[in-house]
Amino acid sequence: QKEVEQDPGPLSVPEGAIVSLNCTYSNSAFQYFMWYRQYSRKGPELLMYTYSSGNKEDGRFTAQVDKSSKYISLFIRDSQPSDSATYLCAMSAVNSGAGSYQLTFGKGTKLSVIP
Amino acid sequence: DTGVSQDPRHKITKRGQNVTFRCDPISEHNRLYWYRQTLGQGPEFLTYFQNEAQLEKSRLLSDRFSAERPKGSFSTLEIQRTEQGDSAMYLCASSFAGWTYGYTFGSGTRLTVV
Repeated sequence: QKEVEQDPGPLSVPEGAIVSLNCTYSNSAFQYFMWYRQYSRKGPELLMYTYSSGNKEDGRFTAQVDKSSKYISLFIRDSQPSDSATYLCAMSAVNSGAGSYQLTFGKGTKLSVIP
Repeated sequence: DTGVSQDPRHKITKRGQNVTFRCDPISEHNRLYWYRQTLGQGPEFLTYFQNEAQLEKSRLLSDRFSAERPKGSFSTLEIQRTEQGDSAMYLCASSFAGWTYGYTFGSGTRLTVV
């Protein structure tokens, strides 16, 4: 079992829909949780980050972390065609190895928002 | 300084050749990371520098791989005797020390070994 599991999709939704993306994880040491967006042939771009459990909202994006269930989510409201990309969840322990805070990523979910 | 810069963007090489990639991080950042991403997978950690010191290496980093960060500025990643399995996107990222909320990635170098 991989440390971070993410359904790769693909996921196709109509413009304006609410999108729900999810990851589960097995390492209880993870305390920092991030969502990255990656357009084709580009590097990942940090979208949202959360420490420990709770919710965080930024415009159309809401990130949720449930540490008791080892489950994180990203919600996108009023989805736009420009949201079409691969969404990667990523996590980090408080102190991994030499303090590098290396990230462990999911496989990514490919999202297409259809006009 | 608008972000993390990587060069080249694409590299096609024959199996057995050596290749070197360069990463220029955001100038104020003292932490630098290398990740590798294969098709359909998330990035995987390779190695990490704080200033010029290489502090952590993944077991993915075989002895054919070497990374340097002279003077704590830009970094290079060299792959010797390339194999087809080395074909991937090589991503560089940087951050401030103590910054735990993710870091800034470059656009990557896509390596194809033929």
